[in-house]
Amino acid sequence: EVQLVESGGALVHPGGSLRLSCAASGFTFTNYEMNWVRQAPGKGLEWVSYISSRGSTIFYADSVKGRFTISRDNAKNSLYLQMNSLRAEDTSLYYCARGGAVVAANAFDIWGRGTLVTVSS
Amino acid sequence: HLVLTQSPSASASLGASVKLTCTLSSGHSNYAIAWHQQQPEKGPRYLMKLYSDGSHSKGDGIPDRFSGSSSGAERYLTISSLQSEDEADYYCQTWGTGIWVFGGGTTLTVL
Repeated sequence: EVQLVESGGALVHPGGSLRLSCAASGFTFTNYEMNWVRQAPGKGLEWVSYISSRGSTIFYADSVKGRFTISRDNAKNSLYLQMNSLRAEDTSLYYCARGGAVVAANAFDIWGRGTLVTVSS
Repeated sequence: HLVLTQSPSASASLGASVKLTCTLSSGHSNYAIAWHQQQPEKGPRYLMKLYSDGSHSKGDGIPDRFSGSSSGAERYLTISSLQSEDEADYYCQTWGTGIWVFGGGTTLTVL
């Protein structure tokens, strides 16, 4: 079964750091681009970051640029998001999403269930 | 500036059909989009990728009741024979160089 499972979410103080992980299974992870998407409580989806299949190309949303770092370990079938200088407005459910290939290219065709990050004092 | 606009809410009766709309910003009318469904308390689920000519490719296991179409800058998702489990939020998504954008989402209520 194709699956993405996020972990690492927690309650953290403003200014703090957190590292999210996403474990992939059921597909050849190294062949796919990956993304992080977040959803604030009661709000819509917001794309956060992208990483190419080999990790050579990375993009960030302006709202997290300079504070968040995306990375991947293809040997471990894992995606990561290092989050520094966290703010209250970063409070969200964070989803790992696979970038589609071929006909689904650029669409996010597999999603995880999310991990909750709460930034509060 | 790449923007997707969706109506906040829609409703239709059980067994009926509904057509949801996603509008691309000016200058982007030829962009493809994707539709995603998010049922309550669940992660999003990919429904389909929809091109400007109306052709679309659906995700694995997506029922035939879900279809897409296009007209100019408008992208549509039609759900026929509505079922209770179709009550969900529906998001459109598009992309440019180094950026991915979601619409604000439409909450569909099945009456």
